[in-house]
Order: sequence, then C-alpha cells, then structure tokens
Amino acid sequence: EPEVTQTPSHQVTQMGQEVILRCVPISNHLYFYWYRQILGQKVEFLVSFYNNEISEKSEIFDDQFSVERPDGSNFTLKIRSTKLEDSAMYFCASSSDRASSYNEQFFGPGTRLTVL
Amino acid sequence: GEDVEQSLFLSVREGDSSVINCTYTDSSSTYLYWYKQEPGAGLQLLTYIFSNMDMKQDQRLTVLLNKKDKHLSLRIADTQTGDSAIYFCAESLRGSTLGRLYFGRGTQLTVWP
Repeated sequence: EPEVTQTPSHQVTQMGQEVILRCVPISNHLYFYWYRQILGQKVEFLVSFYNNEISEKSEIFDDQFSVERPDGSNFTLKIRSTKLEDSAMYFCASSSDRASSYNEQFFGPGTRLTVL
Repeated sequence: GEDVEQSLFLSVREGDSSVINCTYTDSSSTYLYWYKQEPGAGLQLLTYIFSNMDMKQDQRLTVLLNKKDKHLSLRIADTQTGDSAIYFCAESLRGSTLGRLYFGRGTQLTVWP
C-alpha cells in the first residue's frame, strides 16, 4: 500500500542553524501539507501546497519557514534559523481529493526535530 | 481561532467498549475525523463524518455528532489490545481552500488484557 515517507526520523540541530525536513508524498497525490506537534500539545497546521504554490498558511508559518517541491517527488520544509521553540514532531501529509469534498490526508510517520 | 479539545487518557479492559470524546468551537465544520496513531507511525484516518450527519457506524466503530453541543464521540465496541494507540479528533472548516485540519491533542487509549 502506498505511503508517505519522511526523512530523517530524528534531526538534532543547534539553535540558529538551517534544517530541511524531507517528505515523499504518495505518487499520484496533488495536495501537500505540513503539520507539527510540540510535545504535549495539539497537532498544528503549518502550510498547504498545490500546483507549486502555497495555498494556505498558519500564523506559525512565518518568514523563517519555506516549502518546496524541488523535483516532482520530494516535498521539503526548510527552517532557516531554528529556535528552541521549533523543537517538535513535524508531519507531512498528502491527499488526492479536492478540499471542497471529503479530504483524506495521508500522514507520514513524522520527523522529530530537536533544537539545542 | 478554532479550538478542538479532547481528554488525554482513557483506560479500558479488553472486551469493554471505549468512548473517546471531543468538543469543538467552530460551527462551520464540514467534516469531522478520527485519526489513530500507533507508536512510530503516522496518523491514520479511522473514520469521518459529514457535518450534516448525526451518526455513522463502521464495523466496531460508531461516531456520534451532536452539532448543538459541538460534541463528537468515537465508540469502539469490543475493544482489543491492538486498539491501544493515540486517537486524534480533527475537523475541516468551510472556506478552507485545501481542507486544513484542526486537531485536538489526542487521547491515549490503553487497553488492559
């Protein structure tokens, strides 16, 4: 069964460093998402992406964040200068359905980002 | 902004029914979802309900939606040890271009043999 994959599973970085989190969505999906979950808190939406453009972003997704689909298979989240409060589990998701109808988003297993 | 709340823990004995509850604040929801997360895995969609429905049954799962009270529940009949996981309630709202999901914190269900 096709699945969303994410690498690495765990990333440790120093504050102020840039990190890139990678995702490979399901191959025929067109809609892509990033969410994150800080330990003990809710899963929070960061950004949605379609047709090589950001469709929607939350207030968390500031200028330090960017997303890219560089080669038609990968979907990446870049954090330019990490802060301690960026430590979280980051989930990538993809879907094939239009948002105006039932929209099943398929999630990857997550990347745990630890900022020291 | 939209707020989705769930209790954090639930323990049940194998064979009993489990009921996981969720409340939400925004009445413009289109769909409400239950996701399951097992250790080391991503969130997996278990079931969903359209916001104009009151109930949906799918094998051992029953979803009840009370729109007046903005309350959603997931009942698992004959709970098994394999049902131990974190269960997330989520909703999508009218007007969201790609179905952004609003999640609760997740309920850790522990099933004792």
